[in-house]
Amino acid sequence: AQSVTQLDSQVPVFEEAPVELRCNYSSSVSVYLFWYVQYPNQGLQLLLKYLSGSTLVKGINGFEAEFNKSQTSFHLRKPSVHISDTAEYFCAVSDEDGGSNYKLTFGKGTLLTVNP
Amino acid sequence: SQTIHQWPATLVQPVGSPLSLECTVEGTSNPNLYWYRQAAGRGLQLLFYSVGIGQISSEVPQNLSASRPQDRQFILSSKKLLLSDSGFYLCASSRQILTYGYTFGSGTRLTVV
Repeated sequence: AQSVTQLDSQVPVFEEAPVELRCNYSSSVSVYLFWYVQYPNQGLQLLLKYLSGSTLVKGINGFEAEFNKSQTSFHLRKPSVHISDTAEYFCAVSDEDGGSNYKLTFGKGTLLTVNP
Repeated sequence: SQTIHQWPATLVQPVGSPLSLECTVEGTSNPNLYWYRQAAGRGLQLLFYSVGIGQISSEVPQNLSASRPQDRQFILSSKKLLLSDSGFYLCASSRQILTYGYTFGSGTRLTVV
């Protein structure tokens, strides 16, 4: 079974600073990786995904992530954060359940707090 | 694109009372449907998923059950709520998951008192 570890439960940063949210996964087969964002009392919204090809993936709101197979990592980055980026961020990996039916396994989340 | 409707948004129920949370999907047919629970500091726990009408898979043993009476309707139920059932419940849908990932509803905050 797949598993995901988000190494930091909370990351406080100042506005306009760069940020990296770390994610490591375990898998014995090819993986498909996702980052989601959750604003307070809302559902999750897809930020970006890695399926294949270029290891640097660009998503919405200026976020990007780099897939590193040798380090089994998929860290999320943004060069300059805004107050509005304050939210919880979840890393997820696919888990094939036979045929084309897929489930996502999520990490425990990282709370990003951007301070003025 | 898919849209998921979940209701109610918040719910306070006494211990021992029944529960019914409903989720409906628009904009797609024959989706895979999922119920997740989010507890503070514990991330997202997959409770149930369904690949078709009447087909339910349970991921963890618990006090809850799920049903899918129609293609785009997914219901989470309990006969008698426990304090430990409190949490934020999210319904999700997937169709071509590798292309679109999941679409999530806005969630139901359940507090059992």
